[in-house]
Amino acid sequence: KAGVTQTPRYLIKTRGQQVTLSCSPISGHRSVSWYQQTPGQGLQFLFEYFSETQRNKGNFPGRFSGRQFSNSRSEMNVSTLELGDSALYLCASSLEAWVGEQYFGPGTRLTVT
Amino acid sequence: DQQVKQNSPSLSVQEGRISILNCDYTNSMFDYFLWYKKYPAEGPTFLISISSIKDKNEDGRFTVFLNKSAKHLSLHIVPSQPGDSAVYFCAASAQSGNTPLVFGKGTRLSVIA
Repeated sequence: KAGVTQTPRYLIKTRGQQVTLSCSPISGHRSVSWYQQTPGQGLQFLFEYFSETQRNKGNFPGRFSGRQFSNSRSEMNVSTLELGDSALYLCASSLEAWVGEQYFGPGTRLTVT
Repeated sequence: DQQVKQNSPSLSVQEGRISILNCDYTNSMFDYFLWYKKYPAEGPTFLISISSIKDKNEDGRFTVFLNKSAKHLSLHIVPSQPGDSAVYFCAASAQSGNTPLVFGKGTRLSVIA
């Protein structure tokens, strides 16, 4: 069974631009969560989608948004990029909306210049 | 406000000895705890978990201990192997795993041959 895939793996953007990151969960998994990892803050929860509905949202500004499609694939969007948005963005999927068995993708490394 | 704290950014252990990674939490609503391991350029992988109804959970070389009164948990790896060298994240959730994970900042373990 294929694991969680994230595209692109690396991205360089300029301040003020917007970016869309994609996540394909493990086949059959209906829950997708997004995390931001930075050296100073560790992993911070962004949001979680289950059956196309946002179930939980972390403490991030409205510039960060996401969605989930009927095939459980998920995208997250960051508008008006700031230098501080440079981070590793991780996606995790689970069969149901339960955190005990989350499987992470390799992440997308976003650099904002 | 850091609800999950891993106060040791790094730990160095000799091969064959015990590795002990520590984690403290402040939120008394947390009742489910997990440890994840992360290698460079990969997403975190689930290692072991423990529910607050237990004080110990064992899986092979890995044992997690939970001290609810002290709001402290620890991960023991015995014996440590060079392949265990990675960053270890402690995470916590409330409602038996039905709320988003809150991660610590991680501890980098180096196992020296």
